[in-house]
Amino acid sequence: NAGVTQTPKFRILKIGQSMTLQCTQDMNHNYMYWYRQDPGMGLKLIYYSVGAGITDKGEVPNGYNVSRSTTEDFPLRLELAAPSQTSVYFCASSLYTDTQYFGPGTRLTVL
Amino acid sequence: KNQVEQSPQSLIILEGKNCTLQCNYTVSPFSNLRWYKQDTGRGPVSLTIMTFSENTKSNGRYTATLDADTKQSSLHITASQLSDSASYICVVTEYSGGGADGLTFGKGTHLIIQP
Repeated sequence: NAGVTQTPKFRILKIGQSMTLQCTQDMNHNYMYWYRQDPGMGLKLIYYSVGAGITDKGEVPNGYNVSRSTTEDFPLRLELAAPSQTSVYFCASSLYTDTQYFGPGTRLTVL
Repeated sequence: KNQVEQSPQSLIILEGKNCTLQCNYTVSPFSNLRWYKQDTGRGPVSLTIMTFSENTKSNGRYTATLDADTKQSSLHITASQLSDSASYICVVTEYSGGGADGLTFGKGTHLIIQP
């Protein structure tokens, strides 16, 4: 199993641009999550999904959108990128509300 | 508001020495507490998970303890190795009847092992 994979690893955006961060898991997990981690801060939940077709907001959802059309994929969409969205983004998955498995992260810089 | 406080913020010890990291939380009602290890530039990896009824859980040289009454947990690392250099994150889950958004993450303790 590859586990949780994320692409791209790094990205630089200009203010106002849009992009999609990709996340795929091959463990047949029901739950998937998107977090952001700012320097020196804990991970903050952006969105999560408990199954295909079901998504819900986390602590910091503003400026982001998600979709879950399949069990495996959970892309995160940034519309109108802002400098405040400069962060490292982690995707994670879990079977239910148990141990989460994290991807390697995407480092995003908005200039 | 649910909070998870970790201490120390950072720690430097010599290879072979032991160390203990602390986690205090205010999350209620409590479901479980996890410790994750996050290597630089990587995603967190689970070390242990403990529920209300568990006081101690070990994973190799890592031993986690939980005192649910005082809402405190510790992670003890024995005979440290250079590969233990990482951030250690305490995560507490609020019992929310199956919801997935009841996790509160600590900011982590940054541990450096020196040769």
